[in-house]
Amino acid sequence: EVQLVESGGGLVQPGGSLRLSCAASGFPFSSYDMHWVRQAAGKGLEWVSGIGSTGRSYYAGSVKGRFTISRENAKNSLYLQMNSLRAGDTAVYYCARSTDAFELWGQGTLVTVSS
Amino acid sequence: LPVLTQPPSASALLGASIKLTCTLSSEHSTHTIEWCQQRPGRSPQYIMKVKSDGSHSKGDGIPDRFMGSSSGADRYLTFSNLQSDDEAEYHCGESHTIDGQVGYVFGTGTKVTVL
Repeated sequence: EVQLVESGGGLVQPGGSLRLSCAASGFPFSSYDMHWVRQAAGKGLEWVSGIGSTGRSYYAGSVKGRFTISRENAKNSLYLQMNSLRAGDTAVYYCARSTDAFELWGQGTLVTVSS
Repeated sequence: LPVLTQPPSASALLGASIKLTCTLSSEHSTHTIEWCQQRPGRSPQYIMKVKSDGSHSKGDGIPDRFMGSSSGADRYLTFSNLQSDDEAEYHCGESHTIDGQVGYVFGTGTKVTVL
């Protein structure tokens, strides 16, 4: 089955760190660009970061310098290392696969930044 | 950065047609956008891409009653024979490259209510 499954979300204090994972299956993971998109409660979608099939990475200005995206093709996995977390980072985080559109999404993992 | 504008809500009767609008900022009026559907409590699902010439390409399994079109900076998603299952948030988004950096921006979403 073609799917993406996120994990690693949870409650973290402001200033803390968290690492999200996304396990891909059913397609040649290494051939695709991958992204993280987040959604705060009751809000719209916000692109966070993307990584190309070649490994080149891109970030939204709001997370640049704090978040690091990476991939491990041998394990069909995508990661998001999140440091210096703020209350404004509280959201459901989705991983998504893209060619020239986000054609496959995971179910999301909730990150809550609160003391 | 590109800006995508969507009305916050739209409604139509069961069995009727509805046309959603996503307006690109003027300097990006030739860009291709994508539409995705997000049912309550669920992750987004890709519907289609819509180009400036009105051509569109749908995701797998998207029924024929979903159509895309364009006029100037406006990109449309029209679906006919509205069903209760169509009640959802509809997001448009587009990718861009600025100074060699890839990014992505979403509209604020349109909540569709089936009356």
